[in-house]
Amino acid sequence: GNSVTQMEGPVTLSEEAFLTINCTYTATGYPSLFWYVQYPGEGLQLLLKATKADDKGSNKGFEATYRKETTSFHLEKGSVQVSDSAVYFCALFSGGSNYKLTFGKGTLLTVNP
Amino acid sequence: EAGVVQSPRYKIIEKKQPVAFWCNPISGHNTLYWYLQNLGQGPELLIRYENEEAVDDSQLPKDRFSAERLKGVDSTLKIQPAELGDSAVYLCASSSRETLNEQFFGPGTRLTVL
Repeated sequence: GNSVTQMEGPVTLSEEAFLTINCTYTATGYPSLFWYVQYPGEGLQLLLKATKADDKGSNKGFEATYRKETTSFHLEKGSVQVSDSAVYFCALFSGGSNYKLTFGKGTLLTVNP
Repeated sequence: EAGVVQSPRYKIIEKKQPVAFWCNPISGHNTLYWYLQNLGQGPELLIRYENEEAVDDSQLPKDRFSAERLKGVDSTLKIQPAELGDSAVYLCASSSRETLNEQFFGPGTRLTVL
């Protein structure tokens, strides 16, 4: 079945540091890949997505590239802010008999001023 | 445009009591999902509806959990009786035919069973 493996947290950075959160996946077919963000006390929000190999999703300074050869979708940001503190979830959707989002366990990011 | 609405936001009950959660999806979204999110984990699908039909309930513990979406719009998820292990966040999401794989999530209901 489908699965997503995320870098374990928590991750603590200083403001303006570079962020990488690793994500790898196992899936049949050609899944779509997502990063969701969950701020304290709020629901999940879609941060970015990529639907095919070599696509790059980007939003709010965050980027991730769909790498089929390494089955990865790592999240990066060049300069984090305190307001980026949240839990980040990598997820995939492959349709067919797996018509659902499959999530990783989440990575807690704390950015200190 | 209003997002996915869930109520209540928080619920505390004693074990063996019943509890119900309500979800109103984004207007026009025919697909509705209920997810369970345990502490420190990613959400896991409980049930998916296409309009009023439950098309995937394979992960729903049917001995104590039930769900309905009678008119194909809002939905209710029920637990009866609740157990200590049911303490978690229950998330509702919806999507439309036009964006099949983009789901929009509500804020969730945090359930605490004492």
